[in-house]
Amino acid sequence: DGGITQSPKYLFRKEGQNVTLSCEQNLNHDAMYWYRQDPGQGLRLIYYSQIVNDFQKGDIAEGYSVSREKKESFPLTVTSAQKNPTAFYLCASRDGNTEAFFGQGTRLTVV
Amino acid sequence: AQSVTQLGSHVSVSEGALVLLRCNYSSSVPPYLFWYVQYPNQGLQLLLKYTSAATLVKGINGFEAEFKKSETSFHLTKPSAHMSDAAEYFCALGSGNTGKLIFGQGTTLQVKP
Repeated sequence: DGGITQSPKYLFRKEGQNVTLSCEQNLNHDAMYWYRQDPGQGLRLIYYSQIVNDFQKGDIAEGYSVSREKKESFPLTVTSAQKNPTAFYLCASRDGNTEAFFGQGTRLTVV
Repeated sequence: AQSVTQLGSHVSVSEGALVLLRCNYSSSVPPYLFWYVQYPNQGLQLLLKYTSAATLVKGINGFEAEFKKSETSFHLTKPSAHMSDAAEYFCALGSGNTGKLIFGQGTTLQVKP
């Protein structure tokens, strides 16, 4: 079945630690997105990529990094510079101006 | 600048009543508009989309939305609410030239028995 897979579903990070969230899609979509979701704040765009080896900052990119070495994969690293990383992270992919397809999310908690 | 505004962070209706969730957008280019639904701890599921064809768009689960350019609105409606409709709903704006997909703040729909 085609879709987007995010892993892990739950992730715990210690203070000062970098963690990487995985996002893989087999929909052959060119564009991929990372959003952060906090209660009452909707979805805020962290980074997006419209093509392999290229990506752009979204509205809240500070403290995050991404790579797009393969069309299928768009991992997100939450660095120690992100001071408040506890949130629900959603990855999506999209083909042109069609709708975006979402993964099931990763819930990151700082311990 | 492009933006999406959802009026009302919480909407409560009785089962069987009309559902109306409001969405207004701002875009300098013809918009692509979407409504998504999210259940707790899950990803987003597409309800319906407007991509410059018919202005009245029908989606899944009995939902529909009407694109009104003059009002820059894309409100979501359902004639009769069901308990299973309780969820969070997001309106989204797609930009054809930047590839960005911008979301509103979300509206939590509560359905009372």
